[in-house]
Amino acid sequence: ETGVTQSPTHLIKTRGQQVTLRCSSQSGHNTVSWYQQALGQGPQFIFQYYREEENGRGNFPPRFSGLQFPNYSSELNVNALELDDSALYLCASSSPGHQETQYFGPGTRLLVL
Amino acid sequence: EDKVVQSPLSLVVHEGDTVTLNCSYEVTNFRSLLWYKQEKKAPTFLFMLTSSGIEKKSGRLSSILDKKELSSILNITATQTGDSAIYLCAVGGDNNAGNMLTFGGGTRLMVKP
Repeated sequence: ETGVTQSPTHLIKTRGQQVTLRCSSQSGHNTVSWYQQALGQGPQFIFQYYREEENGRGNFPPRFSGLQFPNYSSELNVNALELDDSALYLCASSSPGHQETQYFGPGTRLLVL
Repeated sequence: EDKVVQSPLSLVVHEGDTVTLNCSYEVTNFRSLLWYKQEKKAPTFLFMLTSSGIEKKSGRLSSILDKKELSSILNITATQTGDSAIYLCAVGGDNNAGNMLTFGGGTRLMVKP
């Protein structure tokens, strides 16, 4: 069984640029959630995708957007990057009927200069 | 707004000691409480507690949910250096944001040889 994978592992961007982060869900999982974890803090919920549609969203501005594909993989896009967007971005997947038990990938560490 | 608070913020113990980590929460229509261990990047799932499963145990780790006090504890007995990590508590509630988890800030545990 393959776990949750994310790419790239780390990334450096400058303010104003755009970034796309990718996530492949664990085998058999159809729900993907994205979280932002700033240094020294717990993860914060960005949004969740289920059946290729956004299924819930946290307190993040519209410049954070996402997609889910038919194979349940997902992308997180962030436009107009700001310095405060520097963080570890975590993707988590969960299985049908057990959506609250979320299994996390290794994350993408984004640094915005 | 859902809220999760963990204590202590950090803890240093010696191998063989027993530790108790605390988590308190305020959440709309509580559904579940989850504990994760985060060593480098990916939070690793430990336990999920619900109204129908308020006590879980796996090896040296155990956790109890107190729905009356809106809290949970994670106990680790006979600690080992490999237990050094950040322990995250997260709560799932019935809100408008899908199956989002609200995380606490974590407890950083260091186990010295």
